[in-house]
Amino acid sequence: GQQLNQSPQSMFIQEGEDVSMNCTSSSIFNTWLWYKQDPGEGPVLLIALYKAGELTSNGRLTAQFGITRKDSFLNISASIPSDVGIYFCAGPGHSGAGSYQLTFGKGTKLSVIP
Amino acid sequence: DSGVTQTPKHLITATGQRVTLRCSPRSGDLSVYWYQQSLDQGLQFLIQYYNGEERAKGNILERFSAQQFPDLHSELNLSSLELGDSALYFCASSAANGNTGELFFGEGSRLTVL
Repeated sequence: GQQLNQSPQSMFIQEGEDVSMNCTSSSIFNTWLWYKQDPGEGPVLLIALYKAGELTSNGRLTAQFGITRKDSFLNISASIPSDVGIYFCAGPGHSGAGSYQLTFGKGTKLSVIP
Repeated sequence: DSGVTQTPKHLITATGQRVTLRCSPRSGDLSVYWYQQSLDQGLQFLIQYYNGEERAKGNILERFSAQQFPDLHSELNLSSLELGDSALYFCASSAANGNTGELFFGEGSRLTVL
């Protein structure tokens, strides 16, 4: 099946630093999504990308849909303590009969040191 | 608040037992998805229902089953529980068949099997 590889697995950064994480796939995706999971909560959609090469921002977050359609990047600028959590990339996998479900990467766990 | 409600939030039970997890999707959403999150496996897709019918199956064990009722709420039944079934179980919903990949997650049900 489709696999998404996220890196790094975890990172510790100082408050105010910029953060970069990425996601690669063994197959082509037509949509890339980035979710964030706060401790004790369910994942929440941050950014959705629908076109190869697309660069989309949401506040301090910027994500890019790779030209090859096999990768995506998420950048967080000027990190703050509430950025702590697990960031997941996800892409829709086709399961037949017009049905799709999301395949998730294993996540990048971000810790911010005040 | 995503609008997706899951109960119970926490559940502790013994091996061999059976439990039922319940999910109410966002108002108007027809699709319901179940995901399992364990420490080493990330978010694993289990099953999807759309307007009462099963639409896609992922890595769902035969001991697990689910259904979606006419009022669109869904239940995930886990039987003959094993220690390895301990995990967070998330329900998510989307308006249509999830083609855009934008899922809205509940806060999860944490299952502990002793």
